[in-house]
Amino acid sequence: EDQVTQSPEALRLQEGESSSLNCSYTVSGLRGLFWYRQDPGKGPEFLFTLYSAGEEKEKERLKATLTKKESFLHITAPKPEDSATYLCAVQGRRAGNNRKLIWGLGTSLAVNP
Amino acid sequence: DVKVTQSSRYLVKRTGEKVFLECVQDMDHENMFWYRQDPGLGLRLIYFSYDVKMKEKGDIPEGYSVSREKKERFSLILESASTNQTSMYLCASSLWDQGTGETQYFGPGTRLLVL
Repeated sequence: EDQVTQSPEALRLQEGESSSLNCSYTVSGLRGLFWYRQDPGKGPEFLFTLYSAGEEKEKERLKATLTKKESFLHITAPKPEDSATYLCAVQGRRAGNNRKLIWGLGTSLAVNP
Repeated sequence: DVKVTQSSRYLVKRTGEKVFLECVQDMDHENMFWYRQDPGLGLRLIYFSYDVKMKEKGDIPEGYSVSREKKERFSLILESASTNQTSMYLCASSLWDQGTGETQYFGPGTRLLVL
Protein backbone atom coordinates (compact mmCIF):
# COMPACT_ATOMS: atom_id res chain seq x y z
CA GLU A 1 0.00 0.00 0.00
CA ASP A 2 1.28 3.47 -0.89
CA GLN A 3 2.18 5.45 2.20
CA VAL A 4 3.90 8.66 3.30
CA THR A 5 5.22 9.27 6.82
CA GLN A 6 6.62 12.59 7.95
CA SER A 7 8.79 13.18 11.00
CA PRO A 8 8.96 14.80 13.38
CA GLU A 9 5.33 15.84 13.86
CA ALA A 10 6.48 19.11 15.36
CA LEU A 11 9.82 20.90 15.55
CA ARG A 12 10.80 24.00 17.42
CA LEU A 13 14.04 25.77 16.43
CA GLN A 14 15.85 28.89 17.44
CA GLU A 15 16.47 31.42 14.70
CA GLY A 16 19.62 30.39 12.86
CA GLU A 17 19.51 26.77 14.08
CA SER A 18 19.60 24.55 10.98
CA SER A 19 17.70 21.25 10.85
CA SER A 20 16.00 18.74 8.56
CA LEU A 21 12.50 17.40 8.10
CA ASN A 22 11.99 13.84 6.91
CA CYS A 23 9.48 12.31 4.50
CA SER A 24 9.60 8.51 4.19
CA TYR A 25 7.55 6.94 1.43
CA THR A 26 6.41 3.63 0.01
CA VAL A 27 4.98 3.80 -3.49
CA SER A 28 4.64 1.57 -6.53
CA GLY A 29 7.11 3.36 -8.77
CA LEU A 30 7.71 7.00 -7.93
CA ARG A 31 6.51 9.52 -10.49
CA GLY A 32 7.12 12.54 -8.29
CA LEU A 33 7.60 13.71 -4.70
CA PHE A 34 6.20 17.10 -3.75
CA TRP A 35 6.92 19.51 -0.90
CA TYR A 36 4.44 22.18 0.16
CA ARG A 37 4.37 24.86 2.81
CA GLN A 38 1.09 25.65 4.58
CA ASP A 39 0.46 28.66 6.80
CA PRO A 40 -2.38 28.49 9.35
CA GLY A 41 -5.80 28.92 7.75
CA LYS A 42 -4.41 28.99 4.20
CA GLY A 43 -4.02 26.59 1.30
CA PRO A 44 -0.74 24.71 0.72
CA GLU A 45 1.87 26.60 -1.28
CA PHE A 46 3.99 24.57 -3.72
CA LEU A 47 7.73 24.46 -2.99
CA PHE A 48 9.46 21.64 -4.93
CA THR A 49 8.95 18.57 -7.09
CA LEU A 50 11.61 15.83 -7.09
CA TYR A 51 11.51 13.02 -9.64
CA SER A 52 14.51 10.72 -9.17
CA ALA A 53 16.90 9.57 -6.47
CA GLY A 54 19.86 11.89 -6.11
CA GLU A 55 17.97 14.95 -7.22
CA GLU A 56 18.24 18.15 -5.17
CA LYS A 57 16.41 21.46 -5.38
CA GLU A 58 16.94 24.72 -3.50
CA LYS A 59 14.91 27.81 -2.75
CA GLU A 60 16.27 30.46 -0.41
CA ARG A 61 16.95 28.70 2.93
CA LEU A 62 15.29 25.44 1.85
CA LYS A 63 16.91 22.48 0.13
CA ALA A 64 15.06 19.28 -0.77
CA THR A 65 16.81 15.98 -1.45
CA LEU A 66 15.54 12.58 -2.57
CA THR A 67 16.60 8.95 -2.13
CA LYS A 68 14.75 5.78 -3.09
CA LYS A 69 13.04 5.64 0.29
CA GLU A 70 12.87 9.16 1.67
CA SER A 71 13.20 12.86 1.12
CA PHE A 72 14.68 15.51 3.36
CA LEU A 73 13.82 19.17 3.56
CA HIS A 74 16.87 20.93 4.95
CA ILE A 75 16.35 24.34 6.48
CA THR A 76 19.51 26.41 6.79
CA ALA A 77 19.66 29.28 9.29
CA PRO A 78 15.86 29.50 9.60
CA LYS A 79 14.02 32.73 10.34
CA PRO A 80 10.71 33.18 12.20
CA GLU A 81 8.93 33.64 8.85
CA ASP A 82 9.82 30.03 7.99
CA SER A 83 7.37 28.92 10.68
CA ALA A 84 4.65 26.85 8.95
CA THR A 85 3.52 23.29 8.40
CA TYR A 86 5.51 21.50 5.72
CA LEU A 87 3.65 18.82 3.76
CA CYS A 88 5.08 16.01 1.65
CA ALA A 89 3.17 14.06 -1.02
CA VAL A 90 4.04 11.38 -3.57
CA GLN A 91 2.54 10.30 -6.86
CA GLY A 92 3.05 6.75 -8.08
CA ARG A 93 3.01 5.04 -11.43
CA ARG A 94 0.40 2.46 -10.58
CA ALA A 95 -2.04 1.92 -13.44
CA GLY A 96 -5.50 3.31 -12.94
CA ASN A 97 -5.91 6.11 -10.46
CA ASN A 98 -2.39 7.47 -10.76
CA ARG A 99 -3.34 11.14 -10.65
CA LYS A 100 -3.88 10.88 -6.91
CA LEU A 101 -1.32 12.20 -4.48
CA ILE A 102 -0.57 10.33 -1.27
CA TRP A 103 -0.12 12.90 1.49
CA GLY A 104 1.80 12.88 4.73
CA LEU A 105 0.39 14.53 7.84
CA GLY A 106 3.01 17.25 7.85
CA THR A 107 5.67 18.67 10.17
CA SER A 108 4.73 21.77 12.12
CA LEU A 109 7.79 24.00 12.32
CA ALA A 110 8.12 26.89 14.78
CA VAL A 111 11.17 29.16 14.62
CA ASN A 112 11.70 31.35 17.66
CA PRO A 113 13.42 34.74 17.30
CA ASP B 1 1.52 32.76 -11.63
CA VAL B 2 -1.15 30.16 -11.19
CA LYS B 3 -4.20 31.48 -9.45
CA VAL B 4 -6.88 29.31 -7.87
CA THR B 5 -9.73 31.13 -6.18
CA GLN B 6 -12.48 29.84 -3.94
CA SER B 7 -15.81 31.59 -3.55
CA SER B 8 -15.77 31.95 0.23
CA ARG B 9 -13.13 31.95 2.96
CA TYR B 10 -15.64 31.19 5.72
CA LEU B 11 -19.13 29.70 5.65
CA VAL B 12 -21.62 28.87 8.39
CA LYS B 13 -24.53 26.60 7.43
CA ARG B 14 -27.29 24.70 9.19
CA THR B 15 -27.67 20.92 9.21
CA GLY B 16 -29.66 19.81 6.18
CA GLU B 17 -28.85 22.83 4.02
CA LYS B 18 -27.54 22.40 0.49
CA VAL B 19 -24.08 23.95 0.23
CA PHE B 20 -22.18 25.01 -2.88
CA LEU B 21 -18.43 25.60 -2.86
CA GLU B 22 -17.03 27.16 -6.01
CA CYS B 23 -13.48 27.00 -7.34
CA VAL B 24 -12.03 28.83 -10.34
CA GLN B 25 -8.55 28.53 -11.87
CA ASP B 26 -7.08 30.86 -14.47
CA MET B 27 -4.30 28.70 -15.97
CA ASP B 28 -6.24 26.49 -18.35
CA HIS B 29 -5.41 23.43 -16.24
CA GLU B 30 -7.05 20.16 -17.21
CA ASN B 31 -7.27 18.65 -13.76
CA MET B 32 -9.09 19.95 -10.71
CA PHE B 33 -9.43 18.48 -7.24
CA TRP B 34 -11.45 18.92 -4.05
CA TYR B 35 -9.93 17.97 -0.69
CA ARG B 36 -10.94 18.32 2.89
CA GLN B 37 -8.36 18.83 5.63
CA ASP B 38 -8.93 17.88 9.25
CA PRO B 39 -6.49 17.87 12.20
CA GLY B 40 -4.79 14.52 12.54
CA LEU B 41 -6.22 13.22 9.26
CA GLY B 42 -4.37 15.38 6.77
CA LEU B 43 -5.54 16.06 3.24
CA ARG B 44 -8.19 13.66 1.95
CA LEU B 45 -9.35 13.63 -1.67
CA ILE B 46 -13.11 13.96 -2.16
CA TYR B 47 -13.48 14.16 -5.95
CA PHE B 48 -11.38 15.11 -8.93
CA SER B 49 -11.96 15.92 -12.58
CA TYR B 50 -9.60 15.56 -15.52
CA ASP B 51 -11.85 17.15 -18.14
CA VAL B 52 -15.02 19.13 -18.54
CA LYS B 53 -18.06 17.12 -17.47
CA MET B 54 -15.80 14.31 -16.23
CA LYS B 55 -15.49 13.37 -12.57
CA GLU B 56 -13.85 10.65 -10.52
CA LYS B 57 -14.45 9.67 -6.90
CA GLY B 58 -11.63 10.19 -4.49
CA ASP B 59 -11.18 8.52 -1.14
CA ILE B 60 -14.17 10.04 0.69
CA PRO B 61 -16.93 10.95 -1.81
CA GLU B 62 -19.88 10.03 0.40
CA GLY B 63 -22.19 12.97 1.07
CA TYR B 64 -20.65 15.07 -1.72
CA SER B 65 -21.17 15.64 -5.43
CA VAL B 66 -19.35 17.78 -7.96
CA SER B 67 -19.99 19.66 -11.17
CA ARG B 68 -17.62 20.75 -13.90
CA GLU B 69 -19.47 22.51 -16.69
CA LYS B 70 -16.54 24.71 -17.75
CA LYS B 71 -12.83 23.96 -17.78
CA GLU B 72 -11.94 26.70 -15.31
CA ARG B 73 -14.68 26.00 -12.75
CA PHE B 74 -15.15 23.04 -10.39
CA SER B 75 -17.97 23.04 -7.85
CA LEU B 76 -18.36 20.92 -4.74
CA ILE B 77 -21.90 20.31 -3.51
CA LEU B 78 -22.99 19.11 -0.11
CA GLU B 79 -26.51 17.87 -0.80
CA SER B 80 -27.59 17.91 2.85
CA ALA B 81 -24.94 19.32 5.16
CA SER B 82 -24.14 17.45 8.34
CA THR B 83 -22.04 18.43 11.34
CA ASN B 84 -19.35 15.89 10.41
CA GLN B 85 -18.75 17.88 7.22
CA THR B 86 -17.39 20.79 9.26
CA SER B 87 -13.89 21.11 7.84
CA MET B 88 -11.41 23.09 5.75
CA TYR B 89 -12.14 22.54 2.05
CA LEU B 90 -9.32 22.99 -0.43
CA CYS B 91 -9.50 23.17 -4.20
CA ALA B 92 -6.50 22.48 -6.43
CA SER B 93 -5.71 22.41 -10.14
CA SER B 94 -2.88 20.87 -12.16
CA LEU B 95 -1.55 20.04 -15.58
CA TRP B 96 -0.76 16.40 -16.37
CA ASP B 97 2.48 15.43 -18.09
CA GLN B 98 3.00 11.76 -18.89
CA GLY B 99 6.70 11.86 -18.13
CA THR B 100 6.88 14.04 -15.06
CA GLY B 101 3.49 13.77 -13.43
CA GLU B 102 1.84 16.89 -12.17
CA THR B 103 2.07 19.67 -9.63
CA GLN B 104 -1.11 20.68 -7.86
CA TYR B 105 -1.73 24.35 -7.05
CA PHE B 106 -4.12 25.16 -4.24
CA GLY B 107 -6.66 27.82 -3.52
CA PRO B 108 -6.86 29.64 -0.17
CA GLY B 109 -9.43 27.24 1.28
CA THR B 110 -12.97 27.54 2.62
CA ARG B 111 -13.53 26.90 6.30
CA LEU B 112 -17.04 25.46 6.62
CA LEU B 113 -18.89 25.22 9.92
CA VAL B 114 -22.12 23.19 9.97
CA LEU B 115 -24.31 23.83 13.00
